Amino acid sequence: AQKVTQAQTEISVVEKEDVTLDCVYETRDTTYYLFWYKQPPSGELVFLIRRNSFDEQNEISGRYSWNFQKSTSSFNFTITASQVVDSAVYFCALSEATGGFKTIFGAGTRLFVKA
Amino acid sequence: ETGVTQTPRHLVMGMTNKKSLKCEQHLGHNAMYWYKQSAKKPLELMFVYSLEERVENNSVPSRFSPECPNSSHLFLHLHTLQPEDSALYLCASSQVLGKNEKLFFGSGTQLSVL
Repeated sequence: AQKVTQAQTEISVVEKEDVTLDCVYETRDTTYYLFWYKQPPSGELVFLIRRNSFDEQNEISGRYSWNFQKSTSSFNFTITASQVVDSAVYFCALSEATGGFKTIFGAGTRLFVKA
Repeated sequence: ETGVTQTPRHLVMGMTNKKSLKCEQHLGHNAMYWYKQSAKKPLELMFVYSLEERVENNSVPSRFSPECPNSSHLFLHLHTLQPEDSALYLCASSQVLGKNEKLFFGSGTQLSVL
């Protein structure tokens, strides 16, 4: 069965610190997709990244980077030089090829970045 | 104009009231979703519509009744709710109904049931 675990409920950092948000997933499929979404205080979740299970190449987008490791079933998200505007709830999500169209979300990690 | 618009933003209702949540997407997408977000819990998928046909009802109580009159609009009709139904209800859309489709979310309706 699908499952996404975000063990960190809340993280608090000071501006300019680097921070890593952990995501561990469970799936029996060989084909699946992983996502990260950001939920700012306004409420709407915003898509950040999508990876498929056959592409383990790490990705960097500005201050954001993602580390996908199938061996440990993890898809961690790092923000470099954090800023106050990064304060939000971040969700990791999983979609299985044989699970139909369901996107299963983790419980989210609330990130506080203090000035 | 935002891609997915939800109204109202906030709703307070008694347990005997009937109300409806509205979602409209301006992205030309064919799939729409209702999610429930409760404090410190994962987002729960409630309903999925593809091309106006309901394709998923994720064991949701009958006091929640969805309606999708066209591919741009989605409603969630509420009646005789319970206090534990208080949550943020999020609408989302995707281009098609697919396993790797990214979702576009509205800002949600914060519902309080008294």
